[in-house]
Amino acid sequence: DIQMTQSPSSVSASVGDRVTITCRASQTIGSFLAWYQQKPGEAPKLFVYSASNLQGGVPSRFSGSGYGTDFTLTISSLQPEDFATYYCQQAMSFPLAFGQGTKVEI
Amino acid sequence: QLQLQESGPGLLRPSETLSLTCSVSGDSMGDSDYHWGWIRQPPGKGLEWIGIMHYSGSAYYNPSLKSRVTISVDTSKRQFFLDLSSVTATDTAIYYCARYGTSSGCFDPWGQGAFVSVSS
Repeated sequence: DIQMTQSPSSVSASVGDRVTITCRASQTIGSFLAWYQQKPGEAPKLFVYSASNLQGGVPSRFSGSGYGTDFTLTISSLQPEDFATYYCQQAMSFPLAFGQGTKVEI
Repeated sequence: QLQLQESGPGLLRPSETLSLTCSVSGDSMGDSDYHWGWIRQPPGKGLEWIGIMHYSGSAYYNPSLKSRVTISVDTSKRQFFLDLSSVTATDTAIYYCARYGTSSGCFDPWGQGAFVSVSS
């Protein structure tokens, strides 16, 4: 089974900061990686698919990159509405697996 | 716009069977490009994939839950279902239903979630 490891588990940042979250797969997954944003009390929302493709409606300050085993989600200029928890998910093979999440907080 | 809504009992006793329904509106369930899935999230913790099913009947389950899980789909009712047998306190979680893109491998959209507590 493929394991997903995110780092850091939490990050403290300020509005306007550049934030980078990392996700590492235990084996190569090509570009079969998705990122989700979850705010407290809400369901997760798909933000990035196929490692680097922004879902419709996602602000351009978000970007995803990576291939193989190492992936990043970058927020170029953090906005108040971006404070949330972000999860990666591998889509290469079953069983599907999520990372443990990265909380972006003030 | 596709919308999903979970429903079902919020409180169960240990050893009972958890049964949830996901009602789909805004689009057909018969598109071959999608599966229909369940994900859960224990309080304060991360996301755990439970399983997915295609309307044709093909299904994939998390091995850690496979012996207790059944997912079924009723396209005529625009619903799909989760049954999880022999629940324990560790099954207490928010249960989300979501559409799974077969090509993208992603879940979108998600239902709002249904909290299920298992307690004696």
